[in-house]
Amino acid sequence: DAKTTQPTSMDCAEGRAANLPCNHSTISGNEYVYWYRQIHSQGPQYIIHGLKNNETNEMASLIITEDRKSSTLILPHATLRDTAVYYCIVRVGGADGLTFGKGTHLIIQP
Amino acid sequence: DAGVIQSPRHEVTEMGQEVTLRCKPISGHDYLFWYRQTMMRGLELLIYFNNNVPIDDSGMPEDRFSAKMPNASFSTLKIQPSEPRDSAVYFCASIPAWGTSSYNEQFFGPGTRLTVL
Repeated sequence: DAKTTQPTSMDCAEGRAANLPCNHSTISGNEYVYWYRQIHSQGPQYIIHGLKNNETNEMASLIITEDRKSSTLILPHATLRDTAVYYCIVRVGGADGLTFGKGTHLIIQP
Repeated sequence: DAGVIQSPRHEVTEMGQEVTLRCKPISGHDYLFWYRQTMMRGLELLIYFNNNVPIDDSGMPEDRFSAKMPNASFSTLKIQPSEPRDSAVYFCASIPAWGTSSYNEQFFGPGTRLTVL
């Protein structure tokens, strides 16, 4: 799996959009970008994934650059409950296990 | 659906004792994963099963660890004998069969916090 680089931590004001960056410059053509988050004392939770097109679901939007070397996860209206560690994972889609990095600790400020 | 169920939620034991962690995947899911999370090493994959058969156990740290899946609705992770360095949160996750709409999404349980004294 390709390696990813994320900031260690970020702050965002409640109600504003939270934009979490991820660099994956060695991504291969058949690798997807996945995002998971882990709220304190809970198991990780899937958020979204994409290959090359931008994706949106009820939780977030995923913007992937044209060269696919970086992406941004957008939480459009952050709430206090979005405080969590967010993991960007690059992998070939499928049923094998996930390789988690250190992620970004997102803190939503009231 | 109740989601992935793990038991116990907390386990405190003494070094040398046998520990058994349990997981019930989401009904109908064909794949089951065991992960371990520590402050030092983060989240690590230990082993995963497909249709009750172990597919990749390369993450199992040593012979003291063993995992079984006797049927589609139950899996165990056993540590014998346990050591203080095994203290961690152990997560179980499952996914449905290939081709289903949520195939790419791993559903995690709440975890078991293990403390070995």
